[in-house]
Amino acid sequence: AQSVTQPDIHITVSEGASLELRCNYSYGATPYLFWYVQSPGQGLQLLLKYFSGDTLVQGIKGFEAEFKRSQSSFNLRKPSVHWSDAAEYFCAVGSYNTDKLIFGTGTRLQVFP
Amino acid sequence: KAGVTQTPRYLIKTRGQQVTLSCSPISGHRSVSWYQQTPGQGLQFLFEYFSETQRNKGNFPGRFSGRQFSNSRSEMNVSTLELGDSALYLCASSFDVVDTQYFGPGTRLTVL
Repeated sequence: AQSVTQPDIHITVSEGASLELRCNYSYGATPYLFWYVQSPGQGLQLLLKYFSGDTLVQGIKGFEAEFKRSQSSFNLRKPSVHWSDAAEYFCAVGSYNTDKLIFGTGTRLQVFP
Repeated sequence: KAGVTQTPRYLIKTRGQQVTLSCSPISGHRSVSWYQQTPGQGLQFLFEYFSETQRNKGNFPGRFSGRQFSNSRSEMNVSTLELGDSALYLCASSFDVVDTQYFGPGTRLTVL
């Protein structure tokens, strides 16, 4: 069965520091993968996606993620965090015969000035 | 292009009542999916519609149902509400199946 693990429930960083949010997936075939961000009381905003091709994908707001098949990972990175990046981040995996997305439990990011 | 819209944004109901939530997808999008988000269970898939047909359904009781209209707008219905149905219900649309899903702001349902 498909599953997504985000091992870090809560991460705190200082503004300007680098960030890496971890995501591991379990899926029998090549998945397609997403990172979404959610601010309190809001819906999910797409940060970036991977379907195929280049394993390093660029997203909005300066985020990037790297698909590593050998490690079943799709970690999200940002070189310099801004206070406005404080939010909850969700990794999601989908399969190639349905629109159903399996979400991780989310990582809450707190940014200190 | 306007994003996914969901109405109402907030809803308060009592146990035993039923509720209907509405979702208007991005113009041109034909696929609509629904998700339930709760603090305890996280984001869980409810169902997926494409061209008025339910293609996939999550592991929810039959009290949860949905439909899609010819203009791709979708509704979900929850009958005989329970306290545990209190959640943020998110709708997402995509142009096609196996495509990027764009989410609406959600409907916050509170069951008293």
